[in-house]
Amino acid sequence: SQQGEEDPQALSIQEGENATMNCSYKTSINNLQWYRQNSGRGLVHLILIRSNEREKHSGRLRVTLDTSKKSSSLLITASRAADTASYFCATAPTSGGSYIPTFGRGTSLIVHP
Amino acid sequence: EPEVTQTPSHQVTQMGQEVILRCVPISNHLYFYWYRQILGQKVEFLVSFYNNEISEKSEIFDDQFSVERPDGSNFTLKIRSTKLEDSAMYFCASSDLGGATDTQYFGPGTRLTVL
Repeated sequence: SQQGEEDPQALSIQEGENATMNCSYKTSINNLQWYRQNSGRGLVHLILIRSNEREKHSGRLRVTLDTSKKSSSLLITASRAADTASYFCATAPTSGGSYIPTFGRGTSLIVHP
Repeated sequence: EPEVTQTPSHQVTQMGQEVILRCVPISNHLYFYWYRQILGQKVEFLVSFYNNEISEKSEIFDDQFSVERPDGSNFTLKIRSTKLEDSAMYFCASSDLGGATDTQYFGPGTRLTVL
């Protein structure tokens, strides 16, 4: 299966702390994307990292990709209560002509004010 | 900022009934998608649509499902005879180029409850 799997399943931190979530996948990918989902809402695209990239930043977000370990991490620095949400990684395959991302189960992040 | 919209936000139906979920993708996008998320589970791909035809579909997307772009703005998902297990959030998404590095923009979802 192509799917990403996030860990931990749940993460609870205090405002101001950093939050790190990990994603592992099984086969070769073209890219890996991270999404956020607030409770009862749709997915919001956060960041895409290509297979030939190792690290990418966007504001308080830092994503790393280690293709040798087939893993990625999402770091949210200086977390805020508004960061409370579920975070999903999604992988797109390298071959087969399919560009459909496959989502993991997500990490539920709670940031306490 | 343009966004994907979906209606209704919540649909309750009886088992065996037909439902139509509606989506208005971002206006200049060419690729459209439906996903579903059963409560507490992963987001699952259903179908992608381009140039007025299905380009890819998953095993979930069986004969009970159909999609249509009836006009220049709407994109619909029809479930002909709903089952209890169809209860889920249904998300529509659209993208500009449809490629592997193209971002899909998701709507807020329709919560379907089948009784």
